[in-house]
Amino acid sequence: DAGVIQSPRHEVTEMGQEVTLRCKPISGHDYLFWYRQTMMRGLELLIYFNNNVPIDDSGMPEDRFSAKMPNASFSTLKIQPSEPRDSAVYFCASSFRASGTGELFFGEGSRLTVL
Amino acid sequence: SQQGEEDPQALSIQEGENATMNCSYKTSINNLQWYRQNSGRGLVHLILIRSNEREKHSGRLRVTLDTSKKSSSLLITASRAADTASYFCATGGSQGNLIFGKGTKLSVKP
Repeated sequence: DAGVIQSPRHEVTEMGQEVTLRCKPISGHDYLFWYRQTMMRGLELLIYFNNNVPIDDSGMPEDRFSAKMPNASFSTLKIQPSEPRDSAVYFCASSFRASGTGELFFGEGSRLTVL
Repeated sequence: SQQGEEDPQALSIQEGENATMNCSYKTSINNLQWYRQNSGRGLVHLILIRSNEREKHSGRLRVTLDTSKKSSSLLITASRAADTASYFCATGGSQGNLIFGKGTKLSVKP
């Protein structure tokens, strides 16, 4: 299995631009999570989906952030417009609830820099 | 808000020594997990301990859990330079939505 695949790995953009981050979870996993990691705040859970349905988006910082999961193999996290304080590493993770382990499988992350 | 908090924030040891990291959490849990993150990489699951377990082993890893003190510890024995990474504890909601601490940055010098 290829694991969780995220793209792009690095993104540098200017303030005000739209940013779209992409994630392909592990096939067969029924949960998908988006996290943000910064030095100051650590790992923050932004939103998670179960069977493509958003369950809890209370961690999404502002209306500028939106996430979708149109099918079981693809999810996007969009920031529009982007701001310098959005600079962080964004991780996607997936899990298979029925495994009983609760283990999350993480992608390698998308490092976003907003100038 | 952070559920787990690791201690120390940073730890530097020599190869061959043992490394102990601690985690404290605030609310009752079903289980607690430990993850590792190499620099510039994603997190990797190391071990899970359930609330009715007190100790668990996996290779050179030993995890303990004290639910009365709401704390856990991760011990890495006979550390290697390759163990250099950040280590996070995480506790979860009913749907696997994990909340992570800020991590302990471990440096193992050869």
